[in-house]
Amino acid sequence: EVQLLESGGHLVQPGGSLRLSCAASGFTFSDAAMSWVRQAPGKGLEWVSRINDNGVATEYPDSVKGRFTISRDNSENSLFLQMNRLGAEDTAMYFCARIHYDPLTGLNGPFDVWGQGTMVTVA
Amino acid sequence: IVMTQSPASLSVSPGERATLSCRASQSIASNLAWYQQKPGQAPRLLIYGSSTRATGIPARFSGSGFGTEFTLTISSLQSEDFAVYYCLFYKNWPPYIFGQGTKLEI
Repeated sequence: EVQLLESGGHLVQPGGSLRLSCAASGFTFSDAAMSWVRQAPGKGLEWVSRINDNGVATEYPDSVKGRFTISRDNSENSLFLQMNRLGAEDTAMYFCARIHYDPLTGLNGPFDVWGQGTMVTVA
Repeated sequence: IVMTQSPASLSVSPGERATLSCRASQSIASNLAWYQQKPGQAPRLLIYGSSTRATGIPARFSGSGFGTEFTLTISSLQSEDFAVYYCLFYKNWPPYIFGQGTKLEI
């Protein structure tokens, strides 16, 4: 069964740091680009980071650029999100998500597998 | 690019059809996905490439559109279909941009 399991979320003070983890199973993790997506309480979804399959290339939206760092350990089938200088606006459920790959086109697509999320509260 | 969903909420009776819309502020070809999210759960991929159903998605879910106007249609609503639906603009590389969601209510 394809599965993603996040951990590491908890209450942190403003200006603090936190590291989230995501354990992947049921698929070849090293073949998949991955992302983190967050959802503030009662709000919509926001993409916050992306990393390619080998971990060399990363991307972030302006809202977290310079504060968040995505990384991965393919030997451990794990994805990480290091979050620094946290503010109240970062309070959210953080989801780990796999990026769909279409072998016919060789292109990446949307997020096709999601974890259940880990809650980060900045207060 | 801004993704705008309408309506914000929609009340439909079980067995009826629901039509949800998503508009892109500029052309995104068919790089559009739809997700369903129930309370306390992660989003679930329904449609990608504007009209391709994801694995295991029932045939009552269908997507259409190209360019800037997209539609998710749910024919004959079942009780388990009442949820929040999001559209997503994606491409081979970021950014990924979600719509603000449509809440489908009984």
